Amino acid sequence: DVKVTQSSRYLVKRTGEKVFLECVQDMDHENMFWYRQDPGLGLRLIYFSYDVKMKEKGDIPEGYSVSREKKERFSLILESASTNQTSMYLCASSSAGDRGTDTQYFGPGTRLTVL
Amino acid sequence: GNSVTQMEGPVTLSEEAFLTINCTYTATGYPSLFWYVQYPGEGLQLLLKATKADDKGSNKGFEATYRKETTSFHLEKGSVQVSDSAVYFCALSDQGGSYIPTFGRGTSLIVHP
Repeated sequence: DVKVTQSSRYLVKRTGEKVFLECVQDMDHENMFWYRQDPGLGLRLIYFSYDVKMKEKGDIPEGYSVSREKKERFSLILESASTNQTSMYLCASSSAGDRGTDTQYFGPGTRLTVL
Repeated sequence: GNSVTQMEGPVTLSEEAFLTINCTYTATGYPSLFWYVQYPGEGLQLLLKATKADDKGSNKGFEATYRKETTSFHLEKGSVQVSDSAVYFCALSDQGGSYIPTFGRGTSLIVHP
């Protein structure tokens, strides 16, 4: 059974803290994604990685960075957390096989609250 | 560019009612179409997909047909259950294009006993 896991389900941090969100997939997928989900706004892509050490900015990369040192692990970093980064964060992965037909597999999400 | 438009929710139904959630799309290329479902407190999971015109995707009693002429992929179920209460996302991916899919904003479904 395919699996995407995220390091925390709930996280509470203070403004200005550096925050790490970790995502691990066990499907040997090339592509990994970080989204944030907010009511009324749906899913918005923060960053995308198509290979180890490779990344592309998504729609809302400001205030975030990412790291992919190993194929199975994709980290999202909030350099200095702010209250407007309070949100649900979803990690996903997909295969680079048949481009455009591949399913995205999602983790359970991390609900981050910044106080 | 690509876009996906879903009907706004919430959609509120009684158990055993018929469900339709509308989804229309615009795409520059030839897309694959997906429906994902998000149950409370969970991430999204694939419900069904279709990769070419006139294909019908189906799963768990849900169906959707890829209609190229109307650029639509409406989700239907003949008889909903309380356990179907969730948020449903329509999405598309460009075949041969970017690996990044385009998602609709999601439609919340609430089913009452």
